[in-house]
Amino acid sequence: NAGVTQTPKFQVLKTGQSMTLQCAQDMNHNSMYWYRQDPGMGLRLIYYSASEGTTDKGEVPNGYNVSRLNKREFSLRLESAAPSQTSVYFCASGAISGGYNEQFFGPGTRLTVL
Amino acid sequence: AQSVTQLGSHVSVSEGALVLLRCNYSSSVPPYLFWYVQYPNQGLQLLLKYTSAATLVKGINGFEAEFKKSETSFHLTKPSAHMSDAAEYFCAVILFSGGYNKLIFGAGTRLAVHP
Repeated sequence: NAGVTQTPKFQVLKTGQSMTLQCAQDMNHNSMYWYRQDPGMGLRLIYYSASEGTTDKGEVPNGYNVSRLNKREFSLRLESAAPSQTSVYFCASGAISGGYNEQFFGPGTRLTVL
Repeated sequence: AQSVTQLGSHVSVSEGALVLLRCNYSSSVPPYLFWYVQYPNQGLQLLLKYTSAATLVKGINGFEAEFKKSETSFHLTKPSAHMSDAAEYFCAVILFSGGYNKLIFGAGTRLAVHP
């Protein structure tokens, strides 16, 4: 099992450009998540998908859109990138374990917006 | 609302010394608590979790944490630090919301281990 995979690993954008971050999991998990990690702020939830066909906003959704393409894939789109979106982005997938979602994380995408 | 606070953004210890990383939580319901580790340029890996069973929880790599309700704490310890323990550590609590649950992370503590 590859677990949770993310592409690309690194990306540099200019302000106003768009891009899509890809995430896939092969653990047959129902739920998937997108987080951003900034120094001194831990991980903050951008969007999540409880199951195929559903998506919901997290703590910091502004400037992002998501698509749950199928059970395996959950993509994050920046329509018009801004320097404030420079961050490390993590995708995670979750399995119900003892009444809560235990989450498994991908290796991250390091995005710089100039 | 659930939240966690990690005391100390940077901790430095000598190899072989005790590691103590502090986490305090706020929760209106009995919490589920987690510690994750992030090695340089990698994703997060679960170290251990508390889910209302035993209050002393043992995790991977010799780490353990004790849930203390009276102190609203879930501090992470390891008796003897190794150089390979150098990483960033995150405490997290489950937020139950609308029949669904999400992880709320602390700001993280970067552990340095020196010879």
